[in-house]
Amino acid sequence: KAGVTQTPRYLIKTRGQQVTLSCSPISGHRSVSWYQQTPGQGLQFLFEYFSETQRNKGNFPGRFSGRQFSNSRSEMNVSTLELGDSALYLCASSPGGGLYGSYEQYFGPGTRLTVT
Amino acid sequence: GENVGLHLPTLSVQEGDNSIINCAYSNSASDYFIWYKQESGKGPQFIIDIRSNMDKRQGQRVTVLLNKTVKHLSLQIAATQPGDSAVYFCAESGWSGANNLFFGTGTRLTVIP
Repeated sequence: KAGVTQTPRYLIKTRGQQVTLSCSPISGHRSVSWYQQTPGQGLQFLFEYFSETQRNKGNFPGRFSGRQFSNSRSEMNVSTLELGDSALYLCASSPGGGLYGSYEQYFGPGTRLTVT
Repeated sequence: GENVGLHLPTLSVQEGDNSIINCAYSNSASDYFIWYKQESGKGPQFIIDIRSNMDKRQGQRVTVLLNKTVKHLSLQIAATQPGDSAVYFCAESGWSGANNLFFGTGTRLTVIP
């Protein structure tokens, strides 16, 4: 099976702009989670989508949003970019969850976003 | 790498020795724990997981131990190899069925040839 893919791999934006990142999960996986990784804060959970619904959300401002399509592909959007949004954005896919609890998540290579 | 700015615990081991990486977690309600390995420029790679109804689980060259009494998790790597050099993260998740992982700060493992 192909792994989790993320596009683009690298992105440079300026403050105030918005950005959309894309994630294609492993075939058959229905859950997609997004994480932000920075040197100062480490890995932090942004949100999770399952069957096109946001199922869980971390403590990030409303500028960070996402969605999931019927084929489980997911996008996240960051509006009004700030310098502090510079980070590696990681997407992880998982079979699902629910009655049997959480499942192992498989990460993509990430999108490196630089805000200038 | 992604964690340069963090004060990461570090562990240096000689090639062939066993490595033990420790992690303390905070939420006593956490039900599911995972160890990840992250090499420079790559996303975290799943190593092994364990549920709270177990105290030990073994994989290929790796063992995870869970002590719920003191909320402690450890990863043991047998016969450490140069390719094991990376940052290792423990992560926890609750019994919500939702996949929101809370990650520790990570430990940088350096294997000395």
